[in-house]
Amino acid sequence: AQTVTQSQPEMSVQEAETVTLSCTYDTSESDYYLFWYKQPPSRQMILVIRQEAYKQQNATENRFSVNFQKAAKSFSLKISDSQLGDAAMYFCAPLLGNTPLVFGKGTRLSVIA
Amino acid sequence: GAVVSQHPSWVICKSGTSVKIECRSLDFQATTMFWYRQFPKQSLMLMATSNEGSKATYEQGVEKDKFLINHASLTLSTLTVTSAHPEDSSFYICSAVGDQGYEQYFGPGTRLTVT
Repeated sequence: AQTVTQSQPEMSVQEAETVTLSCTYDTSESDYYLFWYKQPPSRQMILVIRQEAYKQQNATENRFSVNFQKAAKSFSLKISDSQLGDAAMYFCAPLLGNTPLVFGKGTRLSVIA
Repeated sequence: GAVVSQHPSWVICKSGTSVKIECRSLDFQATTMFWYRQFPKQSLMLMATSNEGSKATYEQGVEKDKFLINHASLTLSTLTVTSAHPEDSSFYICSAVGDQGYEQYFGPGTRLTVT
């Protein structure tokens, strides 16, 4: 069975500071995709960033970047210059082979003004 | 682009009745859609995979006779909760696979309350 582990149920960060959310997964696949989704109080799932496993370069989207360590099966999300609007649940979700997305349990991020 | 809608956004029904939730891809065709269930403060749990023109594939533990899924067109999948009971109260989210074949686009969700 595919497993995804987000070991931090809750995190907090001061506004304008940087925070890193961790995610590890288990797979025997060599080519796959990794996603981070944000779920604000509205509960709409919003794609934050994606990473293709075959790419060595870590993905970056404005203030969001990932640290992808393929050998370690680790896919962490770094949020720089945190803003109040970043407060949400964050889900790590690998897309492995032909299986549907598998979601981690999530990390609740609070941003302190 | 890649917008997915769900209707209704919130529904309240009486125990024993059935309720239908629609999921539409508004600006793209989706041969594959997924249905998830999310309890408060929990993650998304995949219920079933819906493929246009074929029977849905249900995850283990999901009652296919209770949660009827129909994917009759490339832009519409429906989830019908039959003979609903209070324990079926939850947040239901659909997603549709985009043209590139792997990225999922999520609907805004439907809150179901069974009284």
